[in-house]
Amino acid sequence: AQKVTQAQTEISVVEKEDVTLDCVYETRDTTYYLFWYKQPPSGELVFLIRRNSFDEQNEISGRYSWNFQKSTSSFNFTITASQVVDSAVYFCALSEAPMNTGFQKLVFGTGTRLLVSP
Amino acid sequence: DSGVTQTPKHLITATGQRVTLRCSPRSGDLSVYWYQQSLDQGLQFLIQYYNGEERAKGNILERFSAQQFPDLHSELNLSSLELGDSALYFCASSPRPGVAETQYFGPGTRLLVL
Repeated sequence: AQKVTQAQTEISVVEKEDVTLDCVYETRDTTYYLFWYKQPPSGELVFLIRRNSFDEQNEISGRYSWNFQKSTSSFNFTITASQVVDSAVYFCALSEAPMNTGFQKLVFGTGTRLLVSP
Repeated sequence: DSGVTQTPKHLITATGQRVTLRCSPRSGDLSVYWYQQSLDQGLQFLIQYYNGEERAKGNILERFSAQQFPDLHSELNLSSLELGDSALYFCASSPRPGVAETQYFGPGTRLLVL
């Protein structure tokens, strides 16, 4: 069965520090997608990134970067020079589907709460 | 703003009651998903619709039901409410139901059952 583990329940940093949020996943499928979502205090879920299982290139978007390693089943998220506005709960999610069913669901980790203080 | 709308934003009701949560997907999206976020269960998939038809069920209770209408909006009906149903209910949408699709989430409906 598919599973996503975010072992870090809460991380506190001071502004401008770099921080890495860990995500480890389990799946039997060879084709799957990994996602990160951000949930700020206001409650909505904001899509950050999607990565497919065949693309292990790291991705950088501004202060955000993602490291996908199939060998360790990890998809870690790093925020460089953190800011107070980065304070939120971050969720890693896995999407997979049995062949030809067209059925897709996201399996979420338990989330990591990031607190960035001034 | 993801383009997915959900109403109402907040809902307070009593045990035993029935409520309806409404979702409008992003323009052009045919697939709608419902999720429940609670403190003890985390984010859990409930049900998926595609172009009006139910595609998959997750951990959805029999007291809960949903449908997707011809205009593609969806409603989640929760009946015989219990205290444990208090949660944040999210709707998400994607253009199609496939594994590669990114699901965009609405702002959620926060349900409090007293």
